Amino acid sequence: QQPVQSPQAVILREGEDAVINCSSSKALYSVHWYRQKHGEAPVFLMILLKGGEQKGHEKISASFNEKKQQSSLYLTASQLSYSGTYFCGTYNFGNEKLTFGTGTRLTIIP
Amino acid sequence: GAGVSQSPRYKVTKRGQDVALRCDPISGHVSLYWYRQALGQGPEFLTYFNYEAQQDKSGLPNDRFSAERPEGSISTLTIQRTEQRDSAMYRCASSSAVQTQYFGPGTRLLVL
Repeated sequence: QQPVQSPQAVILREGEDAVINCSSSKALYSVHWYRQKHGEAPVFLMILLKGGEQKGHEKISASFNEKKQQSSLYLTASQLSYSGTYFCGTYNFGNEKLTFGTGTRLTIIP
Repeated sequence: GAGVSQSPRYKVTKRGQDVALRCDPISGHVSLYWYRQALGQGPEFLTYFNYEAQQDKSGLPNDRFSAERPEGSISTLTIQRTEQRDSAMYRCASSSAVQTQYFGPGTRLLVL
């Protein structure tokens, strides 16, 4: 079953912060985050492999709550280049395929 | 090459024709994945390979779809007797052992 992301869409002014959530109905082995700009391929941002793990990538970081089967992506001091659609991808135990979430469209305005 | 490549980038075909979509993964990547992506949606899993072995084809919509990776490198996704509902972006991704998948530019298929 597809992970559910929230919000579906968000508009920010440059410099504002955002949180994107990803929730699964199944136990998670890992969570992957991708960003996709219009007309381009999804680009890998980060992977979280352990429950409770937090990772950072420039001003983008993420957390993984294995118990709650959730992950959150944090974007701080957003830049125009952060615009795009963000997808989480989840690996479930015993299943080697990546299932992508419903997506969150992020628009950054000057 | 530096990244995953796919060809053709665009394919227009008539209903009933067969099409073959090619994926050339990052050199040395063990795993290769095929996805279909509708506009505004996330990639939808079709099938994947470890080396030349097809590990999971549960996402292939029906038996008109097939894929192969005979030498454990380049892969071909074939759609026989295409239908208009097959129109979509078909994406390929490859990964090494650590699961991170790198996507190719995709093939935009339009069935008339």
